[in-house]
Amino acid sequence: GENVEQHPSTLSVQEGDSAVIKCTYSDSASNYFPWYKQELGKGPQLIIDIRSNVGEKKDQRIAVTLNKTAKHFSLHITETQPEDSAVYFCAASKGGGSYIPTFGRGTSLIVHP
Amino acid sequence: NAGVTQTPKFQVLKTGQSMTLQCAQDMNHNSMYWYRQDPGMGLRLIYYSASEGTTDKGEVPNGYNVSRLNKREFSLRLESAAPSQTSVYFCASRPRSTGLEAQHFGDGTRLSIL
Repeated sequence: GENVEQHPSTLSVQEGDSAVIKCTYSDSASNYFPWYKQELGKGPQLIIDIRSNVGEKKDQRIAVTLNKTAKHFSLHITETQPEDSAVYFCAASKGGGSYIPTFGRGTSLIVHP
Repeated sequence: NAGVTQTPKFQVLKTGQSMTLQCAQDMNHNSMYWYRQDPGMGLRLIYYSASEGTTDKGEVPNGYNVSRLNKREFSLRLESAAPSQTSVYFCASRPRSTGLEAQHFGDGTRLSIL
């Protein structure tokens, strides 16, 4: 089955710095990669996703890049703000059949004012 | 829009007690899921329902049962709670069982088993 590894487990940055979270996956058939943000006491919420036919996607201060050959994808947050502090999860899945994503173990991002 | 609603938000049980966690979505989604989240373990799938009338086991189904009551509701039952089931439980839904779309999550039920 699919295996997703996420690094780092904790990331501490100063406000205004950039943050990068990386995930690797094992199944070359995976073709959909969402990223979720989980704030304290809340459920995960989708912040950006990418499909395997795209190498990069941006939405304001966040971007995701995908390297299919190396089987890794990354979340980039620029100009970090204290409200970006949360746990971020990556996931990998395949279209077709029942949708069962495999999640990374999460990265706790702390943005210091 | 309420999205995915889970009840209760918090619960404390004694070992051996039973309980049903409720989940309802108002987005007309076909697929629904139950996960548990433990520190450092990410999200682990307990059961899922690809469509109304079907349910399947996930990664960690032991000790749990589910019921897809109708298209909106998907409940998770602990028949005889054990301390190892202390966790945060999340319900999620998705428009279809196939395709490339993300899940929508509720805000969780925090369950402690003493």
